[in-house]
Amino acid sequence: DTGVSQDPRHKITKRGQNVTFRCDPISEHNRLYWYRQTLGQGPEFLTYFQNEAQLEKSRLLSDRFSAERPKGSFSTLEIQRTEQGDSAMYLCASSSGQLNTEAFFGQGTRLTVV
Amino acid sequence: GQQVMQIPQYQHVQEGEDFTTYCNSSTTLSNIQWYKQRPGGHPVFLIQLVKSGEVKKQKRLTFQFGEAKKNSSLHITATQTTDVGTYFCASGGSNYKLTFGKGTLLTVNP
Repeated sequence: DTGVSQDPRHKITKRGQNVTFRCDPISEHNRLYWYRQTLGQGPEFLTYFQNEAQLEKSRLLSDRFSAERPKGSFSTLEIQRTEQGDSAMYLCASSSGQLNTEAFFGQGTRLTVV
Repeated sequence: GQQVMQIPQYQHVQEGEDFTTYCNSSTTLSNIQWYKQRPGGHPVFLIQLVKSGEVKKQKRLTFQFGEAKKNSSLHITATQTTDVGTYFCASGGSNYKLTFGKGTLLTVNP
């Protein structure tokens, strides 16, 4: 296993278009997270899955954002009707265990909305 | 997790100098994690602190968790150019999600 992988690495889209990103977590990890990071800021929590169940979603998250993890393995994050303010790095992370909750991050998908 | 504030925002040092970044919260933290993000890279886990007053070392890096569990620090002794990057603290909360500080960007002049 090579860690958390995300696809694509870069996406440029026109305002108003829909985009979808994929995340493949570390295979034995049951927890999966999506974060968003803009320049000069730390990652900001978007949503959390335990297995296939989406257990938490940030109140800051617009209803244009939706995420799925259909079989408890890979996850997708879709943004509908993209806006320029959606431009950011979208990071996926996975973790497991009770005591040490280290999060393993993927390389991220950099979204640019033009 | 609870909000955490990091200072300084930037730190430039000469190679060989020491570096410290601080992480503060107005409320008691259940745990604190530290991550390093190289320029153009993704956050990489460094350490987790859970106990009041805990001190952990990793080679030249020393991590501390305050007695009141409201602050933490990361100290690097004798910085090297490989230490360049942004260091984030993050508080752990419900569902193990992390609330990150804004980070401290460290640059090292060789």
